[in-house]
Amino acid sequence: GAVVSQHPSWVICKSGTSVKIECRSLDFQATTMFWYRQFPKQSLMLMATSNEGSKATYEQGVEKDKFLINHASLTLSTLTVTSAHPEDSSFYICSPRKRGEFQETQYFGPGTRLLVL
Amino acid sequence: QKEVEQNSGPLSVPEGAIASLNCTYSDRGSQSFFWYRQYSGKSPELIMFIYSNGDKEDGRFTAQLNKASQYVSLLIRDSQPSDSATYLCAVNKGYSTLTFGKGTMLLVSP
Repeated sequence: GAVVSQHPSWVICKSGTSVKIECRSLDFQATTMFWYRQFPKQSLMLMATSNEGSKATYEQGVEKDKFLINHASLTLSTLTVTSAHPEDSSFYICSPRKRGEFQETQYFGPGTRLLVL
Repeated sequence: QKEVEQNSGPLSVPEGAIASLNCTYSDRGSQSFFWYRQYSGKSPELIMFIYSNGDKEDGRFTAQLNKASQYVSLLIRDSQPSDSATYLCAVNKGYSTLTFGKGTMLLVSP
């Protein structure tokens, strides 16, 4: 199987605060972790890629100092949205990648809905 | 040219019919092909993957891959209203990041 948990499932915070989102692969070790966000009615947007123990690689336009990623182990990664603002309100989804016999497969966490007031 | 292309839909089919979802990709070196389903307000979930030419069946789902035509499809037999969702096609090469299409919305009417 491939079970991924993500917490919290939703969060409401005031502008200027920081929010930490935790992602765990519960029954496999993730070779790589991807973080996406999705605005309503839009496609998935890749934010960053991280490997365990290494610094994350951010996509163009994503501020690395604002979206802090920690890939502490092969089963745990966190995304911290620092000094959140209303425009950061979105659906954040982690996607750990599992190494299989012939290919690597990305699975998705259930997502975290962030609303910044 | 977009790397992975899908018709945005909506594709409307009656309950019990076969739904056919199509996807084309531009990178001939692509090796693995994935279909994900995303319900409104939820995260994507993996339906199946394919990496060899031909058909691969899993329950009511069949993925078809034609590397010469750079084409991959997903057939859903006996479509149910619960199949109504957006279907995302994704491809990758080696250990690269998945490249997603924008998805096709499927509507199955009772």
